[in-house]
Amino acid sequence: GQQVMQIPQYQHVQEGEDFTTYCNSSTTLSNIQWYKQRPGGHPVFLIQLVKSGEVKKQKRLTFQFGEAKKNSSLHITATQTTDVGTYFCAGRSDYKLSFGAGTTVTVRA
Amino acid sequence: DSGVTQTPKHLITATGQRVTLRCSPRSGDLSVYWYQQSLDQGLQFLIQYYNGEERAKGNILERFSAQQFPDLHSELNLSSLELGDSALYFCASSVGSYGGIDEQFFGPGTRLTVL
Repeated sequence: GQQVMQIPQYQHVQEGEDFTTYCNSSTTLSNIQWYKQRPGGHPVFLIQLVKSGEVKKQKRLTFQFGEAKKNSSLHITATQTTDVGTYFCAGRSDYKLSFGAGTTVTVRA
Repeated sequence: DSGVTQTPKHLITATGQRVTLRCSPRSGDLSVYWYQQSLDQGLQFLIQYYNGEERAKGNILERFSAQQFPDLHSELNLSSLELGDSALYFCASSVGSYGGIDEQFFGPGTRLTVL
């Protein structure tokens, strides 16, 4: 069945540094979504990517969808303490949405 | 506030028991999803309903069942509970469109503790 792998599982970042989290699917996806879950909170939708090679930016966050529509990445520049949380990718194939295990980000001030 | 409500917030029960979790989607959303989140497992998709019909099934155990009612609220029934069923259960809703952006709005979750 469809599997979505996400790495790294944990990311400890110095405030002001950049980091990237990666998402890989075993199957071709129709689209991929990214969510953020703050500690003690619920996942909140960030963005959806649909087209092969698509790149979208939200302020310091850059999202990419691979050419083969089997992988995606989230790059955060100049990390801030407000970036703390777990970032999930979720790949859609047919009607099923499969979530990656998430990357939990902590920030050192 | 996402507009999705879940009750109860917390539930403590014993092994072997049965519980029902309830979810009310955002107004206008036709799709409801159920997820299980435990410490080591991330977000596990259980099941999706669209306008009362089951649309997709994930890793849902046979001891678990769900339904979506005509008013679009949904219930997740967990029976013969085991210690390993202790987790945070999220409900999410979406418009349900397949071609467009179909972001999911998550409820606050129900924390289930099985003793």
